[in-house]
Amino acid sequence: KAGVTQTPRYLIKTRGQQVTLSCSPISGHRSVSWYQQTPGQGLQFLFEYFSETQRNKGNFPGRFSGRQFSNSRSEMNVSTLELGDSALYLCASSPGLPGVAFFGQGTRLTVV
Amino acid sequence: QQQVKQSPQSLIVQKGGIPIINCAYENTAFDYFPWYQQFPGKGPALLIAIRPDVSEKKEGRFTISFNKSAKQFSLHIMDSQPGDSATYFCAATAANFGNEKLTFGTGTRLTIIP
Repeated sequence: KAGVTQTPRYLIKTRGQQVTLSCSPISGHRSVSWYQQTPGQGLQFLFEYFSETQRNKGNFPGRFSGRQFSNSRSEMNVSTLELGDSALYLCASSPGLPGVAFFGQGTRLTVV
Repeated sequence: QQQVKQSPQSLIVQKGGIPIINCAYENTAFDYFPWYQQFPGKGPALLIAIRPDVSEKKEGRFTISFNKSAKQFSLHIMDSQPGDSATYFCAATAANFGNEKLTFGTGTRLTIIP
């Protein structure tokens, strides 16, 4: 089975722009979660989608949004980028077992 | 609000030694505690997990110890190898249906020196 695929791997954006990140989960996994990883804050939960519905949401501003398509692929969007949004964004797909998540390699976003 | 506290932040151990990473949680709704291992340039990967009704779980050289009354759990790596050098994250979740959210500790950067 192919793993979780995230594109692009690297992005450089300017403050005020918006960005869309993409995630293809493991085949058969219907749950996709997004996490932000920074040296200062560690791994922070953004949101989780299941069958095209947002099921859980973390404590991030409304500039962070996501969606899931019928084939379980997911996208994450950040609008009006700020310097503090620079981070590694990780997508994880889950087979529905507690605590079990398969992470992609992440998208490294740099905001300048 | 840090719901899962992890220590130490970094750890250097001689090959063959037993690194120990400790975590403590506050939310009593947590009932499943996985550990993830992350190598540079990679996403975290599930290593081992435990439920609070079990005091210890071993998988290969990795052991989790769990103290439910103290709300603490720890990871031990037996006979550590340089290839174990990575960042380790403890995590917690409430394993009810419909919840895939993981709350992570801040991570421990482990270095095993030959």
